[in-house]
Amino acid sequence: GENVEQHPSTLSVQEGDSAVIKCTYSDSASNYFPWYKQELGKGPQLIIDIRSNVGEKKDQRIAVTLNKTAKHFSLHITETQPEDSAVYFCAASKGGKLIFGQGTELSVKP
Amino acid sequence: DAGITQSPRHKVTETGTPVTLRCHQTENHRYMYWYRQDPGHGLRLIHYSYGVKDTDKGEVSDGYSVSRSKTEDFLLTLESATSSQTSVYFCAINAEGGQPQHFGDGTRLSIL
Repeated sequence: GENVEQHPSTLSVQEGDSAVIKCTYSDSASNYFPWYKQELGKGPQLIIDIRSNVGEKKDQRIAVTLNKTAKHFSLHITETQPEDSAVYFCAASKGGKLIFGQGTELSVKP
Repeated sequence: DAGITQSPRHKVTETGTPVTLRCHQTENHRYMYWYRQDPGHGLRLIHYSYGVKDTDKGEVSDGYSVSRSKTEDFLLTLESATSSQTSVYFCAINAEGGQPQHFGDGTRLSIL
C-alpha cells in the first residue's frame, strides 16, 4: 500500500525567512496531494492541494510543487510569520483515501 | 469552518468498557471518515462511509466498528476499549471521494 514519508520532523525559522517541508510517496498511482495545518487543540485545516496533472500551485505565500517522476512533493512558505507556527501534514491519495505523513512542527521565531 | 461537530471532546474511561464517539455534520456530504492521531504516525484511517449504511475499513480498523444510519451522523465504537486505543480521534467529511476532506476538532480519548 501507499507510504508517505515527511521531513523534517521539526523546523525552526526566523520571521521573514522561507520554510520548506518535503514528502515522498511510494505509490505512483496516487493522484491527489493535500497539505494540512494543525494548530494546538484543533483539527487539521486544508491549506493547499495539488493534483497529479499539475506541477506547481501557489496561493499567496504558500506554494506546493510536485515531481511525479521522483514521487515527491514539497510545501514552500515564504515570508514566514509567527502565526505560521503549527504542525503541518502532507498526504497522498488514490481513490479518495488519504495516507498522511508523520508531520512537521514549524516554529517561526519573531 | 465545515459544519462538523464531534462529541464528546474529551473522555476518560477504563479498559474493557465500550465507548462510542459521534461525528455530526450539517453539510449533507456523502463521505465521512474516522482517523486516529498518534505521535510519530500522523493520522491513520480507521473506517469510512460512502453513504447511509455503506462503510468500509481503513488501515487500522481492528478493534473498531462504525455505523451510519443517517447522512449526518457517523458513529465510531470501541466494543471493549484497550490502552492502545488511547488517542485523539478525528472525523472528516467530503462531498465526493476525490475532493478535499475537512476535519472536526477531535475527541481526546484516554483509556486507563
